[in-house]
Amino acid sequence: DSGVTQTPKHLITATGQRVTLRCSPRSGDLSVYWYQQSLDQGLQFLIQYYNGEERAKGNILERFSAQQFPDLHSELNLSSLELGDSALYFCASSVGTGETNQPQHFGDGTRLSIL
Amino acid sequence: AQSVTQLGSHVSVSEGALVLLRCNYSSSVPPYLFWYVQYPNQGLQLLLKYTSAATLVKGINGFEAEFKKSETSFHLTKPSAHMSDAAEYFCARGNNRLAFGKGNQVVVIP
Repeated sequence: DSGVTQTPKHLITATGQRVTLRCSPRSGDLSVYWYQQSLDQGLQFLIQYYNGEERAKGNILERFSAQQFPDLHSELNLSSLELGDSALYFCASSVGTGETNQPQHFGDGTRLSIL
Repeated sequence: AQSVTQLGSHVSVSEGALVLLRCNYSSSVPPYLFWYVQYPNQGLQLLLKYTSAATLVKGINGFEAEFKKSETSFHLTKPSAHMSDAAEYFCARGNNRLAFGKGNQVVVIP
């Protein structure tokens, strides 16, 4: 158990819809990261928040947004969903800003299926 | 973009045989390097990480990796494969924004 909690585990929805994925980091971790894992793109970094502020941005689509709340949990919002958004979405957390080799600890992911 | 390369998406190994998974990174500056393992329907679990203190890094479950700057490599090994080692293994580099290799699906043959 990594200590990172993601809900829901599975999500099935239709094209054009909007969903929210939730992540609770390990106790004491201030950084939250979001990754997308798909068969064609592999594991890709989306975005990082540190103590409530956006810290780094990867290949995140404009239809996607995230935030980190004062209690440090984070939400990833995906809107105007397309078939290609079907993937496994991981949240990870780490203690600091991520500027050292402190490892990221991953949750079990949310599997999103778009019908 | 700086990246890591893992060759051979599927790796079959006999139980008790050596496990060798290759990872090469693209950079002249030693990066932060990690190996993660993903079991079915689970998230990624950290196996080990490179620190500048040692070129041979020991991880969990009997795995170790050797950092070779001259070869820009960080290959993962385990002397004797167990059935429980069947999983997908990812090499990653970076600090906050991890860049992952495409992964190696390891199959252990009894």
